Amino acid sequence: NAGVTQTPKFQVLKTGQSMTLQCAQDMNHEYMSWYRQDPGMGLRLIHYSVGAGITDQGEVPNGYNVSRSTTEDFPLRLLSAAPSQTSVYFCASSYSGYQTAEKLFFGSGTQLSVL
Amino acid sequence: ILNVEQSPQSLHVQEGDSTNFTCSFPSSNFYALHWYRWETAKSPEALFVMTLNGDEKKKGRISATLNTKEGYSYLYIKGSQPEDSATYLCAFRRLGGATNKLIFGTGTLLAVQP
Repeated sequence: NAGVTQTPKFQVLKTGQSMTLQCAQDMNHEYMSWYRQDPGMGLRLIHYSVGAGITDQGEVPNGYNVSRSTTEDFPLRLLSAAPSQTSVYFCASSYSGYQTAEKLFFGSGTQLSVL
Repeated sequence: ILNVEQSPQSLHVQEGDSTNFTCSFPSSNFYALHWYRWETAKSPEALFVMTLNGDEKKKGRISATLNTKEGYSYLYIKGSQPEDSATYLCAFRRLGGATNKLIFGTGTLLAVQP
């Protein structure tokens, strides 16, 4: 059972470049989300989805886009990378997002550097 | 803005010591409190999800308590082992939110020396 799979593990971008971080889960989870981890700060929610075709913004959505065309996949797009987006990114999922206290399952993270 | 605070920021103990740390969260509109363990170079893994005031959860040598009225949770580790070295994160979910949106604290870094 693969769980939550994130790719790539590492990426270096130049300012202004775009890229997509991939996230896939094979647990039939309805809820998927993207967090970023910065030194001295807790994990901060970027975007989330409660099912295919439904996405919404988290705390820090600016500069990022998401889509959820299937239950399994939840890619995160950086439209025009900026140095402020240098961070470690985690994808996380849970069985249901609605009115349940479900634990999150995390991917292995993507370390992104924007020069 | 909801604040979730964890203390201490870091902790160094000797193997065999018992230890505990604190997570503070807003006492109003409580829905759930999560604890995660995050080892270096790995992903955070869930330890506990707690929903009721007075909840106590246990997993091996690790246990947690919850006080929703005063807005805190304690995580206890009995007889710490080097393999317990990790960052321990707590996360708060507010009542009334439509989704599983969690607000994370910055974590407590535990180092257990043999």
